[in-house]
Amino acid sequence: GAGVSQTPSNKVTEKGKYVELRCDPISGHTALYWYRQSLGQGPEFLIYFQGTGAADDSGLPNDRFFAVRPEGSVSTLKIQRTERGDSAVYLCASSLNRGAYEQYFGPGTRLTVT
Amino acid sequence: GENVEQHPSTLSVQEGDSAVIKCTYSDSASNYFPWYKQELGKGPQLIIDIRSNVGEKKDQRIAVTLNKTAKHFSLHITETQPEDSAVYFCAASSLYNQGGKLIFGQGTELSVKP
Repeated sequence: GAGVSQTPSNKVTEKGKYVELRCDPISGHTALYWYRQSLGQGPEFLIYFQGTGAADDSGLPNDRFFAVRPEGSVSTLKIQRTERGDSAVYLCASSLNRGAYEQYFGPGTRLTVT
Repeated sequence: GENVEQHPSTLSVQEGDSAVIKCTYSDSASNYFPWYKQELGKGPQLIIDIRSNVGEKKDQRIAVTLNKTAKHFSLHITETQPEDSAVYFCAASSLYNQGGKLIFGQGTELSVKP
């Protein structure tokens, strides 16, 4: 069984550009989480989906960040007008359902904004 | 909101010795406490977890203890091996209050010297 996959593994973009990061959760997992990890820090929560809906987006830093999960499986994190401070590793995790605790992480996408 | 403090930030031990990492949390509603191991360039890997109705859990060389009254929990690794070298993160969550989003500590870089 495949784990959580994320693409691309690395993304370099120029300041001001738009980027999309993709997460493919473990098959059958209905809960999906996005986290951001800066160098030397623990992951920080961004947004949580239960099915297709964003159940908690309190961690999104500002309105340049947006995420979707239209069919309740794959999710895309979208960042507009990127800034150098957005550079980090973006991690996705999935969980069997809202009642399950265990979250399984993907390898992350390393975003570098130049 | 929840805050998780983790100590020490770095830990160096000789192969075969034990390692202990400690975390404290602030939100008494937290009821789930996982530990993750993260190797360089990879996503966090769930290694053990504990729920608030349990005081201790063991899995081979790894054990976790929880003191709900004091709001602290610890990871114990016995008979350390060089392959245990990695960054370890503790986390806390409250499934019922916050949908299970994880609040992470700052991480402990464990180095096991052969």
